[in-house]
Order: sequence, then C-alpha cells, then structure tokens
Amino acid sequence: SAVISQKPSRDICQRGTSLTIQCQVDSQVTMMFWYRQQPGQSLTLIATANQGSEATYESGFVIDKFPISRPNLTFSTLTVSNMSPEDSSIYLCSVPLGQGGGYTFGSGTRLTVV
Amino acid sequence: AQSVSQHNHHVILSEAASLELGCNYSYGGTVNLFWYVQYPGQHLQLLLKYFSGDPLVKGIKGFEAEFIKSKFSFNLRKPSVQWSDTAEYFCAVKGDSSYKLIFGSGTRLLVRP
Repeated sequence: SAVISQKPSRDICQRGTSLTIQCQVDSQVTMMFWYRQQPGQSLTLIATANQGSEATYESGFVIDKFPISRPNLTFSTLTVSNMSPEDSSIYLCSVPLGQGGGYTFGSGTRLTVV
Repeated sequence: AQSVSQHNHHVILSEAASLELGCNYSYGGTVNLFWYVQYPGQHLQLLLKYFSGDPLVKGIKGFEAEFIKSKFSFNLRKPSVQWSDTAEYFCAVKGDSSYKLIFGSGTRLLVRP
C-alpha cells in the first residue's frame, strides 16, 4: 500500500496568513483527498485532487479559501488562506489503497491559528 | 443524505473486558464499510473493511466487525481488550460506485489497566 509523507506536522500561524501543506506519495495515484478534522470532531472531506484538472470541492469549502495543487501523480498541496482561529484543525491527505480497497492517510498537519 | 452514526462517543473499559462499538449508516445502495483507528499521537490506520462476501470481517489486532444489511449496521467487536487498544475508532462508509468516504463522529476508547 502507498506511503504518504505529509508536512509540516504542525504549525502555529498568525491570523490573516496562509499555510501550505504538502503531501508526497511513494507511488503514483490518480486521486488524492484532503480532509479536515476539527477539534473533537470527525473527518470531513474538503476536496478531491486529480492530476491535470481542477480540484473538486465539497459543500462548504471553496477554492479561494483552500486552493489545491496537483502537479503530478505523487504530490499535492493544500493551502489554508487568510487563516482565522476557526481554521485550527488537523488537515490530512489520503489516497486509495488500490485493488484491496480502502484508503491510507497521511500523518496529518496540526494547525493552530492565533 | 449519506451519514454514519456512532452512538458511543466515549467508552471506558477494564482490560480483558469485551468491546462492541456501534456503527449505523444511511446510504441508498451498495456500500463499502471501514473501521479506522487512531492511536494517541498517531495517524489513522485501517483496522478492517467490508466490501462483499462473508459479513463477518476479521481485522488486525483481534478486531472483527459484522455487517448486518437489514440493520444498516457494522459494529466493531473485540472479545478481550488490552490497554494498548486505547484509541479513537472511526466507522466510515463509501458507496460502491463512489470515491467519497463518509466518517462517523468517532468513539474514544479508554482501557484501564
């Protein structure tokens, strides 16, 4: 199964600034997913990133706030823009496990906005 | 709308006790079902999954889950928990023809030694 390297693992940011989170996968994957896990809550899908096309955003998430890049089949970035304390969450990327089914997740980025 | 319900938000057990965590889903079609575990300070790991076939699925670390289609349930069980099972457990569902994984709210399990 694929191994995901995600960075940074954590950051503390000032409100109004932006943070870019990177995910590197050790194999080529068509789809990559970005999730948010707010404090004490479950995971919510932000968007799906396909190589060569614009990301598909879920309801409640917009490109201006969470721009995504997918320059190749092994890499993606998620930017959290113009941050506010409400953006404090864990952000995770995920890729399909392949024929066996299921998904594997990165280790997450714990973001605190002050 | 698709949804997943985990009724137990916090569970506290003593070692060697039996565990059952409830998971019910709402989805109008064929589903794939998953249980993920998140140990303290670690990332999500797949515990087990159901796609088709035998509705009793065995996963890692002695966990199993049973898919009961008529009840829209996929409860997680372990006959004897250990302190190292302390973690948060997430049930998730995906439509058979979909890529989107819907997570439940999670259950925090604390196992006392």
